[in-house]
Amino acid sequence: GENVEQHSSTLSVQEGDSAVIKCTYSDSASNYFPWYKQELGKGPQLIIDIRSNVGEKKDQRIAVTLNKTAKHFSLHITETQPEDSAVYFCAASIGNAGNMLTFGGGTRLMVKP
Amino acid sequence: SQTIHQWPATLVQPVGSPLSLECTVEGTSNPNLYWYRQAAGRGLQLLFYSVGIGQISSEVPQNLSASRPQDRQFILSSKKLLLSDSGFYLCAWSVFGTGGNVLTFGAGSRLTVL
Repeated sequence: GENVEQHSSTLSVQEGDSAVIKCTYSDSASNYFPWYKQELGKGPQLIIDIRSNVGEKKDQRIAVTLNKTAKHFSLHITETQPEDSAVYFCAASIGNAGNMLTFGGGTRLMVKP
Repeated sequence: SQTIHQWPATLVQPVGSPLSLECTVEGTSNPNLYWYRQAAGRGLQLLFYSVGIGQISSEVPQNLSASRPQDRQFILSSKKLLLSDSGFYLCAWSVFGTGGNVLTFGAGSRLTVL
């Protein structure tokens, strides 16, 4: 089955700096890669996703890149703000195979003011 | 629009007591429904998922069970809670065939077993 690894369990940055969270996956058939943000005491919320037919997707200050050859994908947050502090989960799945996402272990991002 | 409701939000239960967490989805039909557990500071562990009424798949053998008595209702239960059942329980839904597995999570239920 699929295995998704998040490279860092914690990441600390200064406000205004950029943050990059990296994930790798094992199943080359995976073609859908969402990112979720979980604030303290709340459920995870989808913030951005990418499908394997594109290499990059951007939405304001956040972007996701995908390298299918190397089987890794990354979340990029620019001009970080204190409200970006949260736990971020990456995930992967095969889009047409029954909606089963495999999640990474999560990365706690701390943005220091 | 679709919404997902989960209750209770917080629960403190003694060891050996029963458990019932409920989840309902509005604004969609035939959703896939999921129960995840998140231990403190840990990742998301899939417990159960359901593709239809009465259809339950278990991912992790344990002290818990799930039921889906109606299309948009998903219940997580236990007859006798263990200390290790403490955690943050998340219900989620998705719709099959959208071309992507977009999971939408509820707000979660925090269970403390004492």
